[in-house]
Amino acid sequence: AAGVIQSPRHLIKEKRETATLKCYPIPRHDTVYWYQQGPGQDPQFLISFYEKMQSDKGSIPDRFSAQQFSDYHSELNMSSLELGDSALYFCASSLRRYGTNYGYTFGSGTRLTVV
Amino acid sequence: AQKVTQAQTEISVVEKEDVTLDCVYETRDTTYYLFWYKQPPSGELVFLIRRNSFDEQNEISGRYSWNFQKSTSSFNFTITASQVVDSAVYFCALSELQGGKLIFGQGTELSVKP
Repeated sequence: AAGVIQSPRHLIKEKRETATLKCYPIPRHDTVYWYQQGPGQDPQFLISFYEKMQSDKGSIPDRFSAQQFSDYHSELNMSSLELGDSALYFCASSLRRYGTNYGYTFGSGTRLTVV
Repeated sequence: AQKVTQAQTEISVVEKEDVTLDCVYETRDTTYYLFWYKQPPSGELVFLIRRNSFDEQNEISGRYSWNFQKSTSSFNFTITASQVVDSAVYFCALSELQGGKLIFGQGTELSVKP
């Protein structure tokens, strides 16, 4: 079965550089979520999109932006990278259309290291 | 506000022991969903179970079992006859019906020694 695809798996960037993470949700899933997991921490919600519109926002820095495209894939753009942005970034997708919560499928994550 | 608390930061057991991971949650919603995820050292989040707030039946899946008690706002996870492969960080999580975002607990790192 198709899963959530995230790319790249690993990314090394220098301070003040820009990074773009990509997420391809499960086909027919209408909602995408982004989470950030720092070392030894739990995943923290950043932002979500429902049917290509931003639906909720968490603790996402102003330096970060995200969008969902017409093919439902999503990108998380991070600018002016800081050492503290080093983390595992997860994308998840779900089907919310019928007013219930069918659960989430997570991608394998992108490990970002800022040096 | 929603909150999930996993009071046990680390647990260490010897293989074949039973172990229970505690999860306590807070929410003002009457409809909500509870989850458990496993995160092995490789880093991916592996879905274990989803439970909605209207279904208080306990569930067993092989060596895994879950005890959901609304009266105490708890959703505990028991591994019977633990194995070394069970070593991982386990997260309990909560979401509301429509909003969808997951609120994670702090995680419990389980170490199963041979």
